Amino acid sequence: NAGVTQTPKFQVLKTGQSMTLQCAQDMNHNSMYWYRQDPGMGLRLIYYSASEGTTDKGEVPNGYNVSRLNKREFSLRLESAAPSQTSVYFCASTQRGRSSYNEQFFGPGTRLTVL
Amino acid sequence: RKEVEQDPGPFNVPEGATVAFNCTYSNSASQSFFWYRQDCRKEPKLLMSVYSSGNEDGRFTAQLNRASQYISLLIRDSKLSDSATYLCVVNRDGSSNTGKLIFGQGTTLQVKP
Repeated sequence: NAGVTQTPKFQVLKTGQSMTLQCAQDMNHNSMYWYRQDPGMGLRLIYYSASEGTTDKGEVPNGYNVSRLNKREFSLRLESAAPSQTSVYFCASTQRGRSSYNEQFFGPGTRLTVL
Repeated sequence: RKEVEQDPGPFNVPEGATVAFNCTYSNSASQSFFWYRQDCRKEPKLLMSVYSSGNEDGRFTAQLNRASQYISLLIRDSKLSDSATYLCVVNRDGSSNTGKLIFGQGTTLQVKP
């Protein structure tokens, strides 16, 4: 099992460019999440998908859109990149149990720089 | 005020030392509590869940104090390989049950020979 995979690992964009970050998991998890991590801020939730076919905003959704393509894949799109979106982006997944969630498994991250 | 607060450190300790980290959370409705470990330029990984009764995993002991709203992590007999950032994590979903986690900014530990 590869676990959670993310592409690309690194990306440099110019202000105003668009791009999509890809995430896939092979653990048959039903819930997936996108976070960004900035120095001194901890991980902050951008968007999440509690189950296939649903997406919801997290703490910092402005400037982003997501698509839950199927149970395996959850993509994050930046329509018009801004320097404030320079960050490390992590995708995570987890399996919802009967009354709680199990641990979240994280992908290796995408390091994005917007010039 | 951040919802989950940790002292960022760094904590510099010699090998073999015992070190403790604390974390406070502000939302009394928080349901589940965890410690994640993050190595430099890597993804976070679950270290241990934190239960009300306290729990131990080898050299690591986690405690939860709901009344005071703080969580602690104790590492005994520190190893060089324990050098990492330790993230305090809280799930405050309550009835909405979406699995969303709130992360502290992390406490950096450096174990020196």
